[in-house]
Amino acid sequence: DAMVIQNPRYQVTQFGKPVTLSCSQTLNHNVMYWYQQKSSQAPKLLFHYYDKDFNNEADTPDNFQSRRPNTSFCFLDIRSPGLGDAAMYLCATGLTGVKSNEQFFGPGTRLTVL
Amino acid sequence: QQQVKQSPQSLIVQKGGISIINCAYENTAFDYFPWYQQFPGKGPALLIAIRPDVSEKKEGRFTISFNKSAKQFSLHIMDSQPGDSATYFCAAVMDSNYQLIWGAGTKLIIKP
Repeated sequence: DAMVIQNPRYQVTQFGKPVTLSCSQTLNHNVMYWYQQKSSQAPKLLFHYYDKDFNNEADTPDNFQSRRPNTSFCFLDIRSPGLGDAAMYLCATGLTGVKSNEQFFGPGTRLTVL
Repeated sequence: QQQVKQSPQSLIVQKGGISIINCAYENTAFDYFPWYQQFPGKGPALLIAIRPDVSEKKEGRFTISFNKSAKQFSLHIMDSQPGDSATYFCAAVMDSNYQLIWGAGTKLIIKP
């Protein structure tokens, strides 16, 4: 089945210790998104790629970086996690040029910062 | 103008009842209005969506009602079941940038 896969599902890190979250997709979608979702809130867009073009949201902290080495994979790097970065991180994909505008979400990575 | 306002924040409905969640928007440039369903510990999943050229869309027990002049849309869940218990997000999208503008979410609980 075509899908969006996130690894790991749960990540525990220490305050200030860099962490990398990964996302892969078998949908062959050209758009990939990273969202942060805190408890009882809507997902908040951090950045997205249209193909290889990187688009950073204006209020995304510099602490958050992303890489997309190819169509299938995307990484979220948190350089120095703070306690406030504990959240669910969601990867999503989409396809431009179609009418549906649907985004397909992965299951998320739950990040805990100690 | 980019906001989507969603209500209520939480909703409890008896099994078999009708669940209704409402959303309102300001920006008339929005082209697409999806509803996402999210279970605890899972990513959101598209439930149903509508474009502003139709006033209603029905898929099984789920119906979107859309009022273009009032800039409002709502999700109706008929014959609500305990398995429908989840958080529901409305959203709005412009075809020009594909970005979801999310409502705040509604936590729905269906009591057996």
